[in-house]
Amino acid sequence: QKEVEQDPGPLSVPEGAIVSLNCTYSNSAFQYFMWYRQYSRKGPELLMYTYSSGNKEDGRFTAQVDKSSKYISLFIRDSQPSDSATYLCAMSATAGKSTFGDGTTLTVKP
Amino acid sequence: GAVVSQHPSRVICKSGTSVKIECRSLDFQATTMFWYRQFPKQSLMLMATSNEGSKATYEQGVEKDKFLINHASLTLSTLTVTSAHPEDSSFYICSAEQGANNEKLFFGSGTQLSVL
Repeated sequence: QKEVEQDPGPLSVPEGAIVSLNCTYSNSAFQYFMWYRQYSRKGPELLMYTYSSGNKEDGRFTAQVDKSSKYISLFIRDSQPSDSATYLCAMSATAGKSTFGDGTTLTVKP
Repeated sequence: GAVVSQHPSRVICKSGTSVKIECRSLDFQATTMFWYRQFPKQSLMLMATSNEGSKATYEQGVEKDKFLINHASLTLSTLTVTSAHPEDSSFYICSAEQGANNEKLFFGSGTQLSVL
């Protein structure tokens, strides 16, 4: 069993929809939780970062972490075609050495 | 956010040649950098952890003599694929850690290696 499981997708939504991306994990030592966005043939870019449990909001993006359920989510409000990309969840117990989910490919149709 | 520059973005080489990929942190110092490999429609596979001034730490199954890593300064790490073969063709990405606890990763733009 993988340490990090990510909803595989792919996901296709109309412009303006609310998108929910999710990951579960098994390692209770994880305390840093990140979401990265990766466009095709590019390196991932850090979207959201959360330490321990709780919510974090940044513009149209909200990250939620529920350590009791070992479950994290990324919500995208008012989705745009430019949000079309692969989203990777990542988490780590110690600095830097993150474990990544397999990614969810999102397509937002105009 | 911090900027990590990776070069070249694409390289095509003949089987048996060696290829060097550079990863630079442009606006911060990175004691630790990471090298990944990514196959199409798959996630990042960590190959090794590159530590400035010391030997790299390789993940299980990664040949250290095949993938030479050098981290000679706080802003530069290099990955050399030695005697490349077609099965080494892949997308290689580096990252550098930053943040109060070095918990955030900033990635280079990746290098697509094609070995003929």
